[in-house]
Amino acid sequence: AQKITQTQPGMFVQEKEAVTLDCTYDTSDQSYGLFWYKQPSSGEMIFLIYQGSYDEQNATEGRYSLNFQKARKSANLVISASQLGDSAMYFCAMREGLNSGYALNFGKGTSLLVTP
Amino acid sequence: DGGITQSPKYLFRKEGQNVTLSCEQNLNHDAMYWYRQDPGQGLRLIYYSQIVNDFQKGDIAEGYSVSREKKESFPLTVTSAQKNPTAFYLCASRRRDLPSGGTQYFGPGTRLTVL
Repeated sequence: AQKITQTQPGMFVQEKEAVTLDCTYDTSDQSYGLFWYKQPSSGEMIFLIYQGSYDEQNATEGRYSLNFQKARKSANLVISASQLGDSAMYFCAMREGLNSGYALNFGKGTSLLVTP
Repeated sequence: DGGITQSPKYLFRKEGQNVTLSCEQNLNHDAMYWYRQDPGQGLRLIYYSQIVNDFQKGDIAEGYSVSREKKESFPLTVTSAQKNPTAFYLCASRRRDLPSGGTQYFGPGTRLTVL
């Protein structure tokens, strides 16, 4: 069974600084996908970035990058140049296989607060 | 604009009542999902559907039911058998093929409170 672990319940970062949110995973699948979502106080889950298990390069989307270390089974999210609007919950998720309809298995999340 | 809508935003239910949460998408996605989120927790899968007229139970399906009569719609009914239904419910959809790993896109959610 898959498992996603986010060990940081809360993080603080100063505006314009970079921050890394940790995510480790456990799976026996060879092919899998890893996602990061942002959940602001409004509740909606916003897709940020995706990394496939066979992708050789780390994914990047604007200020977001995913530090993928396959051997260590980690998929950390790096946010560069933090903004006040980045304050939110962040969830790491792994895609299940075909037998589970490619559903997502989520970690418990990390609360990020960006301070002026 | 394409997207996923959920209604209502807030829902209050008396014990013993069934309630139905609406989820509609105009993204032409084949697969749809229902997740439940409790405070301080990640999302847990209730039901999913990959095609019309077919759906499968997720990890916490007890006390819930769904239907998928149209591609665009995937309503969730919370029955009186669900012992602790107070939670935030999120609907998501995904294209059937897997571009970008099959990213799921979410609606704004429905917050259900049992009185």
